[in-house]
Amino acid sequence: RKEVEQDPGPFNVPEGATVAFNCTYSNSASQSFFWYRQDCRKEPKLLMSVYSSGNEDGRFTAQLNRASQYISLLIRDSKLSDSATYLCVVLNYGGSQGNLIFGKGTKLSVKP
Amino acid sequence: GAGVSQTPSNKVTEKGKYVELRCDPISGHTALYWYRQSLGQGPEFLIYFQGTGAADDSGLPNDRFFAVRPEGSVSTLKIQRTERGDSAVYLCASSTAQGGAEAFFGQGTRLTVV
Repeated sequence: RKEVEQDPGPFNVPEGATVAFNCTYSNSASQSFFWYRQDCRKEPKLLMSVYSSGNEDGRFTAQLNRASQYISLLIRDSKLSDSATYLCVVLNYGGSQGNLIFGKGTKLSVKP
Repeated sequence: GAGVSQTPSNKVTEKGKYVELRCDPISGHTALYWYRQSLGQGPEFLIYFQGTGAADDSGLPNDRFFAVRPEGSVSTLKIQRTERGDSAVYLCASSTAQGGAEAFFGQGTRLTVV
């Protein structure tokens, strides 16, 4: 089983749509959680960190459920510029101290 | 300020040759990560340094792969006897040691083994 698993995608949505991505992680010792965004042929960049209390940044909302080992990202009012691959990332401590593990990514395509 | 710098940006090599990929992290970042990414896949962890030492090298696929960071700054990923399956984009990232800190990526080295 992969340590971080994401919806396979791709997600093809019209502008203005709301889209949700899900991610599960297998290591209960994982300490920190993130969503990264990667544009085609570019490096990944941090989109937002994910906290147990949930956090929002404009049109983006991230949620963490530690009991279910589940992370989500909600994008409201999708824009063409949101088209990218969204990577779920966990930071492990303990046996793999400080190790960042990436999911395979979910591709989003927003159409006019 | 300068971001993470990776050189070369592209490398084409013949099967069986030796290659070195360089990563120059953000100044002051003690954590340094190497990943490789194939088309349509997420970054696959290779090795993580905290300072000069490899804190976790469990992602290195075999003993043809080796990485060093002798002074706790620049890191070199070394691949011996390259195989066509090693073709990928090799990404380097750095962050501060603080837990939960953002990792900043370089633009990667695209390695093609022919």
